[in-house]
Amino acid sequence: DAGVTQSPTHLIKTRGQQVTLRCSPKSGHDTVSWYQQALGQGPQFIFQYYEEEERQRGNFPDRFSGHQFPNYSSELNVNALLLGDSALYLCASSLYQEGYGANVLTFGAGSRLTVL
Amino acid sequence: AQSVTQLGSHVSVSEGALVLLRCNYSSSVPPYLFWYVQYPNQGLQLLLKYTTGATLVKGINGFEAEFKKSETSFHLTKPSAHMSDAAEYFCAVSLSGGYNKLIFGAGTRLAVHP
Repeated sequence: DAGVTQSPTHLIKTRGQQVTLRCSPKSGHDTVSWYQQALGQGPQFIFQYYEEEERQRGNFPDRFSGHQFPNYSSELNVNALLLGDSALYLCASSLYQEGYGANVLTFGAGSRLTVL
Repeated sequence: AQSVTQLGSHVSVSEGALVLLRCNYSSSVPPYLFWYVQYPNQGLQLLLKYTTGATLVKGINGFEAEFKKSETSFHLTKPSAHMSDAAEYFCAVSLSGGYNKLIFGAGTRLAVHP
């Protein structure tokens, strides 16, 4: 059973460019969350998608946007890249249960973005 | 607002020694608490979680953690460290509501030396 898969694993961009990262959730999961992990820090919540809608968002600018497809896969888009966007971007999937906040998230290995 | 503080960004122990990684949280409501481990070039893997009930939680690889409400702590322990335990460990908090938004601490890098 495949877990969460992310692509690409590594990429290098220059300031001002745009990037798209992709995520396929674990089989049976319907919710996808994205996290940014800067070097030496803990992951920070970007946003979460469920039923193809953004359900919750962290403190990230509008340059960060996403999408969820009918097959539950997801994309993270970042426009006008800044040097500070260099980080490991983690995708996590889970199965939504209303009112329950302790579902285990399954994380992918991440996409490492370097902005020059 | 919820927050997580992990005391000690780096912890070094000898193989066979006790592992103690500290985590304190801030939350206005009873939280759900998690410990995740991250090996190099890998994603995060759940070690254990606390929801309700028994305050001593056992996880994988011999790790356990105790929820102490009065101390707002959720420290991670392992009686005897193994070389394979060397990794980055993250404590995280979540609230009820179904969205499973995790707030992570900054992490503690555990080194195990012979």
